[in-house]
Amino acid sequence: GAGVSQTPSNKVTEKGKYVELRCDPISGHTALYWYRQSLGQGPEFLIYFQGTGAADDSGLPNDRFFAVRPEGSVSTLKIQRTERGDSAVYLCASSPQLGGNYEQYFGPGTRLTVT
Amino acid sequence: AQSVAQPEDQVNVAEGNPLTVKCTYSVSGNPYLFWYVQYPNRGLQFLLKYITGDNLVKGSYGFEAEFNKSQTSFHLKKPSALVSDSALYFCAVSDSGGYNKLIFGAGTRLAVHP
Repeated sequence: GAGVSQTPSNKVTEKGKYVELRCDPISGHTALYWYRQSLGQGPEFLIYFQGTGAADDSGLPNDRFFAVRPEGSVSTLKIQRTERGDSAVYLCASSPQLGGNYEQYFGPGTRLTVT
Repeated sequence: AQSVAQPEDQVNVAEGNPLTVKCTYSVSGNPYLFWYVQYPNRGLQFLLKYITGDNLVKGSYGFEAEFNKSQTSFHLKKPSALVSDSALYFCAVSDSGGYNKLIFGAGTRLAVHP
């Protein structure tokens, strides 16, 4: 079946601009996660959703970052006033339910470059 | 706080030899442990997990991992390495205390030489 998809695959933007990154989870998965992976590092947690609500947004680095999941399926990560330090690969994952014992299925990521 | 350590940046092994990629963890509750693999320009792929039960867990592509509670370790192993196993491997942990996010190690690059 179809896996997690993310668009765009690559995004280049200028410092100070606004960007949106989209994640389409596996059909039927209620839990959705966002991570950020900087070069040479493991993924770092940003936020996760159970259904439409953000269950834990403790990993968002500051108030320039925001994520929504209005209908409990597709999610959008929004970054305002981008900075060069935001450059990274943004990964989305989904799992059948919320729970630390479920494996998460990852999308291919969006590579964001802020110039 | 939860944490994961992968002490080796890179592991080199000859094709056909056994391989081990090391991982140690720290969590406040009972650990849920995972291994993922990342190939170039591709997303993370799930290999195996330990939740409870038998300390030896078998996963995809012939990989297995051994949970050792006293040493807080979860090393990834394979009896006979293939060149195609060359990739970046990540260990991750969540805990049973209601925390659903995965905490990842920094990754270990496995290079299998013909």
